[in-house]
Amino acid sequence: AQSVTQLDSQVPVFEEAPVELRCNYSSSVSVYLFWYVQYPNQGLQLLLKYLSGSTLVKGINGFEAEFNKSQTSFHLRKPSVHISDTAEYFCAPSENTGNQFYFGTGTSLTVIP
Amino acid sequence: ETGVTQTPRHLVMGMTNKKSLKCEQHLGHNAMYWYKQSAKKPLELMFVYSLEERVENNSVPSRFSPECPNSSHLFLHLHTLQPEDSALYLCASSRSGGTQETQYFGPGTRLLVL
Repeated sequence: AQSVTQLDSQVPVFEEAPVELRCNYSSSVSVYLFWYVQYPNQGLQLLLKYLSGSTLVKGINGFEAEFNKSQTSFHLRKPSVHISDTAEYFCAPSENTGNQFYFGTGTSLTVIP
Repeated sequence: ETGVTQTPRHLVMGMTNKKSLKCEQHLGHNAMYWYKQSAKKPLELMFVYSLEERVENNSVPSRFSPECPNSSHLFLHLHTLQPEDSALYLCASSRSGGTQETQYFGPGTRLLVL
């Protein structure tokens, strides 16, 4: 069984400040880990993903995430946010067996000018 | 046209109507998905098709009926829906049905059931 928790439903942050969006998951098997972003009135698009190898993953738009196996976390970070980063962010782990994808409830990031 | 397209973008229907949602992908992918997105709830995976065969059906009510005539097209046929079915319906595709694959999403169909 698999579950994913995004600990913060809403995160307001000032422009050019750093941000961290938290994601924890539980799984009895090995997982792949994804972060997707959804801009208003659009579908989701991939920010970054971890499949194997280096635990620090860099994605588009200056975002990065670190896989921590012992804490079963995959937190998303950006050192300096822009107004255009205002969007909904989804953490999505998937097990390396079967066909199931799991999505968190999302974190709404609002960048304040 | 590129990526994943969905039509219509908005749909209002009564509980006795029959309607269909259409999804088309122009990425040469072999797997396609239907998701339901409701406010404050996780994305719900409804159906998965891989090489035009359904491989996953997460206990979706029979009033939702998917159809995948080829690897580029996916439909969701709707019949006698309930108000709680109002949501954003997202289509996605990926290169294969493996869980390591990136999914590419369409913009969604916003459905309102009256």
